[in-house]
Amino acid sequence: DARVTQTPRHKVTEMGQEVTMRCQPILGHNTVFWYRQTMMQGLELLAYFRNRAPLDDSGMPKDRFSAEMPDATLATLKIQPSEPRDSAVYFCASGFGDTQYFGPGTRLTVL
Amino acid sequence: QKEVEQDPGPLSVPEGAIVSLNCTYSNSAFQYFMWYRQYSRKGPELLMYTYSSGNKEDGRFTAQVDKSSKYISLFIRDSQPSDSATYLCAMGGRAEYGNKLVFGAGTILRVKS
Repeated sequence: DARVTQTPRHKVTEMGQEVTMRCQPILGHNTVFWYRQTMMQGLELLAYFRNRAPLDDSGMPKDRFSAEMPDATLATLKIQPSEPRDSAVYFCASGFGDTQYFGPGTRLTVL
Repeated sequence: QKEVEQDPGPLSVPEGAIVSLNCTYSNSAFQYFMWYRQYSRKGPELLMYTYSSGNKEDGRFTAQVDKSSKYISLFIRDSQPSDSATYLCAMGGRAEYGNKLVFGAGTILRVKS
């Protein structure tokens, strides 16, 4: 049963620290998405890749967030420096064609 | 105005009831429509997807799309306490959105035993 995996599942950090979240997409999927979910804003798209190329990162605060796909089995989302308002659940999703399959998420708390 | 509108609920129903969850949208460029189910502290799980107007059935779940009215629905028959979750509608259109999906805010459903 192929699944998207994300690490870490939980992260508590202090304001100003760097945070790195990792995602392993489902083998054979050619699209990868990073989302942030909060109670107030719901599910927001941060960035999306197709065949490892970044296609849209307009949802990301550019000064502190960065997303990369160093290879087909790994996507990363970095926040530097982190701020309390970044506290949220971050989801990675992968897909092929129109559908997307989500990972379990990284719950981030910035103190 | 949001591209996709979805009543956040919560919607509370007794076990065995028929549940109707709905979304409206404004952009006629949307070509395909999906429903995701999200349990508390879990990732969204793809439940159903459809590309055309009409009904698509899968067990107790029926997805309905009316492109002329820009309205989609998910019906759950014989609802169970295990159906308690947040249901998100999502839609996309390749020409305008590529592979991106636009999500509704999600409707919280509670099925009481």
